[in-house]
Amino acid sequence: AQSVTQPDIHITVSEGASLELRCNYSYGATPYLFWYVQSPGQGLQLLLKYFSGDTLVQGIKGFEAEFKRSQSSFNLRKPSVHWSDAAEYFCAVGGGEYGNKLVFGAGTILRVKS
Amino acid sequence: DVKVTQSSRYLVKRTGEKVFLECVQDMDHENMFWYRQDPGLGLRLIYFSYDVKMKEKGDIPEGYSVSREKKERFSLILESASTNQTSMYLCASRKGVGYTFGSGTRLTVV
Repeated sequence: AQSVTQPDIHITVSEGASLELRCNYSYGATPYLFWYVQSPGQGLQLLLKYFSGDTLVQGIKGFEAEFKRSQSSFNLRKPSVHWSDAAEYFCAVGGGEYGNKLVFGAGTILRVKS
Repeated sequence: DVKVTQSSRYLVKRTGEKVFLECVQDMDHENMFWYRQDPGLGLRLIYFSYDVKMKEKGDIPEGYSVSREKKERFSLILESASTNQTSMYLCASRKGVGYTFGSGTRLTVV
């Protein structure tokens, strides 16, 4: 069955520190890859997406993600975290074997220490 | 921008009631989806529809049904609501590789 794994349920980083959120998926070929963010009480906001081409993708709010085919991973990074980045982050995978469906990971809750 | 509108932001229903959650999109999207979101579980797909009157089960369809009589509207139906269906419900639509989500309906079944 298709699956998306976000191994970290919670992550705490200090403001100004770098951030990496991990995402792995179970699929041999290259699907469509997404990262969404959800602030408390808010809807989902798309941070970035990857379909093909350059494996380093730039998104909004200073985020980037790198697709690594050999590791079936699509990790999200930010060089310097701001207090406003505290939220829940979801990796999602669609297309290819996933077909019409968009399959989500369980999410990672980011806390930012001042 | 495409808008996906869910008719209710908050809903409280009694056990055993029939519940309708409505979703409307304002573009000509073929594909529409219903997810439920629970802490620690992320978003799980309940049902999706790829055309009018067409539907497919997602990963957790038990206890739910859907209706798509018009292209722009996709309804989620809880035939007999139970407390374990208390959750946040999110509707989405898709054209090509772009997905658009509604703001969600927080349903509480008491």
